[in-house]
Amino acid sequence: DAKTTQPPSMDCAEGRAANLPCNHSTISGNEYVYWYRQIHSQGPQYIIHGLKNNETNEMASLIITEDRKSSTLILPHATLRDTAVYYCIVRAGDNYGQNFVFGPGTRLSVLP
Amino acid sequence: GAVVSQHPSWVICKSGTSVKIECRSLDFQATTMFWYRQFPKQSLMLMATSNEGSKATYEQGVEKDKFLINHASLTLSTLTVTSAHPEDSSFYICSARRAGGSKNIQYFGAGTRLSVL
Repeated sequence: DAKTTQPPSMDCAEGRAANLPCNHSTISGNEYVYWYRQIHSQGPQYIIHGLKNNETNEMASLIITEDRKSSTLILPHATLRDTAVYYCIVRAGDNYGQNFVFGPGTRLSVLP
Repeated sequence: GAVVSQHPSWVICKSGTSVKIECRSLDFQATTMFWYRQFPKQSLMLMATSNEGSKATYEQGVEKDKFLINHASLTLSTLTVTSAHPEDSSFYICSARRAGGSKNIQYFGAGTRLSVL
């Protein structure tokens, strides 16, 4: 199983881009990178996922390095409501028996 | 789309009683649902995986007779904490994976905070 490493905490100024890194150097060829976030006392919220190409949706962008050993989640214009714990998870996308393993994540604080 | 409803959001019970938590996928069918537990300042820990129409698969260290899981339909799974004790006080979160859905994405409920007195 691929493991991920994230910084424990980050600060970001409101209105600026928040770039959250994740290392997954042992990722397998069929494993996707998923990002979730958990705002205090709520369930995790799905943000984005990708395999090898960069992805963008209404919430964020996901940049995956060419060797797929690391990725960066980008929140282009962070707001105070983006303050949360962000989890990077690596799991196979096609094997429905695969479960998510949540690490400690990165606690992002968006500052006014 | 992909809304998961969890009920109740907060429950307080006396030690020795049982508590049932419901997890519903509101706008999709979920062949698989998951139950997690989260203690303060810790990450989510998977308790069990529930497949519709079959017995749940429990993670190591989770007592199946204490945490009863029923996944009787494609939109509903329940977790019953039997004979609850103060050490069972925690934040319980369910998630659902859409039947035939895209790439193993799980959608999470808002969680249930259980306090056992």
